[in-house]
Amino acid sequence: KNQVEQSPQSLIILEGKNCTLQCNYTVSPFSNLRWYKQDTGRGPVSLTIMTFSENTKSNGRYTATLDADTKQSSLHITASQLSDSASYICVVSASNAGNMLTFGGGTRLMVKP
Amino acid sequence: KAGVTQTPRYLIKTRGQQVTLSCSPISGHRSVSWYQQTPGQGLQFLFEYFSETQRNKGNFPGRFSGRQFSNSRSEMNVSTLELGDSALYLCASSLKTGGSYNEQFFGPGTRLTVL
Repeated sequence: KNQVEQSPQSLIILEGKNCTLQCNYTVSPFSNLRWYKQDTGRGPVSLTIMTFSENTKSNGRYTATLDADTKQSSLHITASQLSDSASYICVVSASNAGNMLTFGGGTRLMVKP
Repeated sequence: KAGVTQTPRYLIKTRGQQVTLSCSPISGHRSVSWYQQTPGQGLQFLFEYFSETQRNKGNFPGRFSGRQFSNSRSEMNVSTLELGDSALYLCASSLKTGGSYNEQFFGPGTRLTVL
């Protein structure tokens, strides 16, 4: 069964600090891994998409890494801002499943002043 | 370019009723996927439509159905509503189905409350 697990479930950090979110997956055959940011009550917004051959991808202060051998990914947020408070969802797509996505449970991040 | 729009944004129904939700994809996008988001189960895939054909279906009962029109707009219908159907229903549009860099763009969602 395809699964995506994220840790931690929730995280509180001070503004300006860095943090790293983790994602483990068992989706096969693997196509790509995405990180989404979701503000409360809104639809998810894509941060990064990585395929099998990519190890790292950045989007501003967000840097995602992918280790396809161990089936692990991380999202690193640098110099956090209050607006980073949101849920971060790891999403994996299988190559034989069209647009069907498998979602992790998300990490709820709160950035405090 | 306008984003994905969903109507209505909020909906309150009672058990046993049925509901229809609508999604208008980004202009030029031919794929529309639907997702259910609940606090307990997180985000779960319902189904995907591409060129008016259902391409994939998640593990949901037959009470959940959908369709896509020739202009790529999509509707999903839930019949005989249950309390557990209360959720945020999200649709996402993309240019094509599948593919490594096939970005899916999400709408703001429809918040359905079943009383």
